[in-house]
Amino acid sequence: DAMVIQNPRYQVTQFGKPVTLSCSQTLNHNVMYWYQQKSSQAPKLLFHYYDKDFNNEADTPDNFQSRRPNTSFCFLDIRSPGLGDAAMYLCATSTRGSMNTEAFFGQGTRLTVV
Amino acid sequence: GNSVTQMEGPVTLSEEAFLTINCTYTATGYPSLFWYVQYPGEGLQLLLKATKADDKGSNKGFEATYRKETTSFHLEKGSVQVSDSAVYFCALSDYQAGTALIFGKGTTLSVSS
Repeated sequence: DAMVIQNPRYQVTQFGKPVTLSCSQTLNHNVMYWYQQKSSQAPKLLFHYYDKDFNNEADTPDNFQSRRPNTSFCFLDIRSPGLGDAAMYLCATSTRGSMNTEAFFGQGTRLTVV
Repeated sequence: GNSVTQMEGPVTLSEEAFLTINCTYTATGYPSLFWYVQYPGEGLQLLLKATKADDKGSNKGFEATYRKETTSFHLEKGSVQVSDSAVYFCALSDYQAGTALIFGKGTTLSVSS
């Protein structure tokens, strides 16, 4: 019963070629997050949506953008991937405003840039 | 700002040994604290959580107590198994303030039989 689903699990893209990663959820959570995780490092928050409100982290490169067309789906667009963008990309969801909540993660998409 | 500091790894133990992974935090509000586990090639799974001071989170033999006086949330397990080998992340959030999940750098645990 996967609740946060990321597609694809593995993505190979060419240097400079736009790529989109997708995330869907069945939890009806109002917050969705995108994290970037490089090898042997902690996940780094790129941005998150609270409902339709977009919140970009200050150090997220302009090359990264996101779309959330509805509650269930969220997309990560990398406009011109560089070799340094190769990483695991993690999508997560949560409910904001609840004390006893946590983030639910998808299995991640591993992006390779060639 | 908020931050999480956890002990450097890797931690290498024999099966049935006692495990402690230290975690301390800095927060301006009243955060919730979490331990997540990541198996190779997988996403993160919530291991346990605590939402207020003195709460103890527990799951699968792992425990951690939210200590406000020492700003700590150390992870412990009395007897580790080979299947516990993974990367463990301490994290905090203040969802009511809209603060997203912030992770420590992770600690790799390797358990041998």
